[in-house]
Amino acid sequence: AQSVTQLDSQVPVFEEAPVELRCNYSSSVSVYLFWYVQYPNQGLQLLLKYLSGSTLVKGINGFEAEFNKSQTSFHLRKPSVHISDTAEYFCAVGGSNYKLTFGKGTLLTVNP
Amino acid sequence: DGGITQSPKYLFRKEGQNVTLSCEQNLNHDAMYWYRQDPGQGLRLIYYSQIVNDFQKGDIAEGYSVSREKKESFPLTVTSAQKNPTAFYLCASSFGGAAFFGQGTRLTVV
Repeated sequence: AQSVTQLDSQVPVFEEAPVELRCNYSSSVSVYLFWYVQYPNQGLQLLLKYLSGSTLVKGINGFEAEFNKSQTSFHLRKPSVHISDTAEYFCAVGGSNYKLTFGKGTLLTVNP
Repeated sequence: DGGITQSPKYLFRKEGQNVTLSCEQNLNHDAMYWYRQDPGQGLRLIYYSQIVNDFQKGDIAEGYSVSREKKESFPLTVTSAQKNPTAFYLCASSFGGAAFFGQGTRLTVV
């Protein structure tokens, strides 16, 4: 079985401040990890993915995430956010069985 | 353009009626998925399919049915047995582990 816990349901920050969105996972097999972003009434867009190799993964729009196997975490970071980063962010875990499990999401609100 | 197309974008259904949501992809992906999204609950997996003519139940399959007769198509039927069908439904396909999503169908029971 696999599961994802996003530790914060809402994260408010000011523009140009750094942000970290936290994600912990559990899985009995090797995992693939993902972060997605969703704007209102739209589908999800892939931000970045970890399949293997380097534990620091860089994605689109200046986001990056670090895979920490010992802490079973995959936190998303951005050094300086913009108003346009306001959206809901989802962490997901997948495995070789093709099943993809998502967290409940974190609403990031960037204030001027 | 390559991508995943869901139709319709908005759908209204009367109680007791079955309704089918369309999902088509031209990405040549083997795996396809259906998720349901409700406020504050994230995405919950309804069904997924790894190959044509094969599919597996996800976490909330009751009241739903699917078919996978063609690689490009993975329609979802919301049956009258689904007690609370009003939600945002998302279809996805995957390659290399990552899933790519359609724009969603918002289903409302009236």
